[in-house]
Amino acid sequence: QQQVKQSPQSLIVQKGGIPIINCAYENTAFDYFPWYQQFPGKGPALLIAIRPDVSEKKEGRFTISFNKSAKQFSLHIMDSQPGDSATYFCAASDSWGKLQFGAGTQVVVTP
Amino acid sequence: DAGVIQSPRHEVTEMGQEVTLRCKPISGHNSLFWYRQTMMRGLELLIYFNNNVPIDDSGMPEDRFSAKMPNASFSTLKIQPSEPRDSAVYFCASSFLVGQGNSPDTQYFGPGTRLTVL
Repeated sequence: QQQVKQSPQSLIVQKGGIPIINCAYENTAFDYFPWYQQFPGKGPALLIAIRPDVSEKKEGRFTISFNKSAKQFSLHIMDSQPGDSATYFCAASDSWGKLQFGAGTQVVVTP
Repeated sequence: DAGVIQSPRHEVTEMGQEVTLRCKPISGHNSLFWYRQTMMRGLELLIYFNNNVPIDDSGMPEDRFSAKMPNASFSTLKIQPSEPRDSAVYFCASSFLVGQGNSPDTQYFGPGTRLTVL
């Protein structure tokens, strides 16, 4: 069963818009929540990550919001650009570094 | 650093043939992960090693799949015999884990091997 549930499956926004991707998990043993970005024909690459002791983290135009009590976290892409068009995966990790990935969200940013 | 190196990048084979995928992790990393990516099932962890020792192989689909890590700089994933449903992109990733219970480090993915079994 999918231990990390991700939505939506796909998203289309105009340049400058703010795509928001949501993830939820059940296993309270997870203690590290990374987001990966994948372009066609490439391997996933770490975008930004958060640990459960903080509620928000920003890196450039990317922001993670984390709600520990609800076991939910989300990715916001501020001022999105066509170059941000990619598939985004949320993930959750236990203390061994074993990642459980969400199903992925295909984001398309139109010019 | 060259990053995680995988070979071959593409493999086309016929059903029943043996397939061997190769991975060279980033130097200094002590954890290695094999993933499979398909449209239907997304990214699935197959097996991972820590200090060359398999820690969890519960994701390996069946006995036709096997993985080895004979040393810190090389790992293989073998499928024997291969079947059309094994067609997927296989990724290798590596990271540095200080120890269980410590915060995991970033996993760096290789470019993947696209496997097609006819």
